Amino acid sequence: EVQLVQSGAEVKKPGESLKISCKGSGYSFTNYWIVWVRQMPGKGLEWMGIIYPGDSDIRYSPSFQGQVTISADKSISTAYLQWSSLKASDTARFYCARQDSLNTPPDYWGQGTLVTVSS
Amino acid sequence: QLVLTQSPSASASLGASVKLTCTLSSGHSNYAIAWHQQQPEKGPRYLMKLNSDGSHSKGDGIPDRFSGSSSGAERYLTISSLQSEDEADYYCQTWDTGIHVVFGGGTKLTVL
Repeated sequence: EVQLVQSGAEVKKPGESLKISCKGSGYSFTNYWIVWVRQMPGKGLEWMGIIYPGDSDIRYSPSFQGQVTISADKSISTAYLQWSSLKASDTARFYCARQDSLNTPPDYWGQGTLVTVSS
Repeated sequence: QLVLTQSPSASASLGASVKLTCTLSSGHSNYAIAWHQQQPEKGPRYLMKLNSDGSHSKGDGIPDRFSGSSSGAERYLTISSLQSEDEADYYCQTWDTGIHVVFGGGTKLTVL
């Protein structure tokens, strides 16, 4: 069974750093892309960026380039999304999902990680 | 500019059918899209990929009650025999060059 299990909710202060994770199982982690999607409170879905764990090819949405860093550790089938200095406007739920190519949609989603940034 | 337009809300009665619409922006009428369902307080769930000719491929375990169709720049998701658990937000998604990915604003479906 394909599963993407994300790390738990986080509460952080502005200026703090954070790294959240997404662990894949039930499939060959290195053969699928992992995409990250943001959902701000009460809003829709926004595509942030994508990584191919097989060779760490990473692509960012222009809206998120420089704001976050996407990475992966294929030895433990885990992808990451990190911030070096959080802002209150980063408060959102973040989802990972897998897709088998850049030109197909994600077919399995994680359960989401809620990040709350508040002083 | 690649844009997907969805109505903010829709409603239909338990046991009835509903057809949700996602409209591609001008010049993009041949694009494939995907439909995703997001039940309250849950992560999205992939429903199907829908091509411009109406052919579609559904995700694992998606019931036959869910089907897709296309006409010009419009992409449709039809849900028949509505059940209470179908009450959810439905998002369409498309992509261009693989990294230019857009989501529609979502349609909130209420089952009466």
